[in-house]
Amino acid sequence: GDSVTQMEGPVTLSEEAFLTINCTYTATGYPSLFWYVQYPGEGLQLLLKATKADDKGSNKGFEATYRKETTSFHLEKGSVQVSDSAVYFCALSLDTGNQFYFGTGTSLTVIP
Amino acid sequence: EPEVTQTPSHQVTQMGQEVILRCVPISNHLYFYWYRQILGQKVEFLVSFYNNEISEKSEIFDDQFSVERPDGSNFTLKIRSTKLEDSAMYFCASSELGTQYFGPGTRLLVL
Repeated sequence: GDSVTQMEGPVTLSEEAFLTINCTYTATGYPSLFWYVQYPGEGLQLLLKATKADDKGSNKGFEATYRKETTSFHLEKGSVQVSDSAVYFCALSLDTGNQFYFGTGTSLTVIP
Repeated sequence: EPEVTQTPSHQVTQMGQEVILRCVPISNHLYFYWYRQILGQKVEFLVSFYNNEISEKSEIFDDQFSVERPDGSNFTLKIRSTKLEDSAMYFCASSELGTQYFGPGTRLLVL
């Protein structure tokens, strides 16, 4: 079935370190891929998305490239800040109106 | 910027009681969803709603659950007789063109 596998956390980094959070997917069709972020006490906020192979989503210094050949959508940021501390969720959707399939979430803590 | 809102933010109830979780989706959106996240686990899909009817539901969404859009703005999830295992964070979402926008969630605790 359709699913998302996400890197286990928690992840702790020093400020200005490079971040990678791995995400791979299994899908029966051609999904759209998303990263959501959840700050403490808040809901899920869309961080970035990509709707077809080789698309790169980017926002707030974060990037992820839709790699069909490796079925991956890894999240990266070149220099993390303390304010990036949150839980990050990878998700896929097969079509408009269809459910989202989420990964387990990766907790990131950035220390000064 | 428009956002999805949910009430209450927290709810504590006794096992066997009915609860209604409320959501106000983004106003021009056509698709509405409920998800839940049990502590430490994945965000799980419950149900989607389009054109005033359920379009998709998961195995979790059994006869104890129901959804309703009672007016032009609210979207509700009712659990008729809560169980301990219903304790979770419940998220409402809405979408127009594929991207789902989530509310802040309602934390439900069943005692």
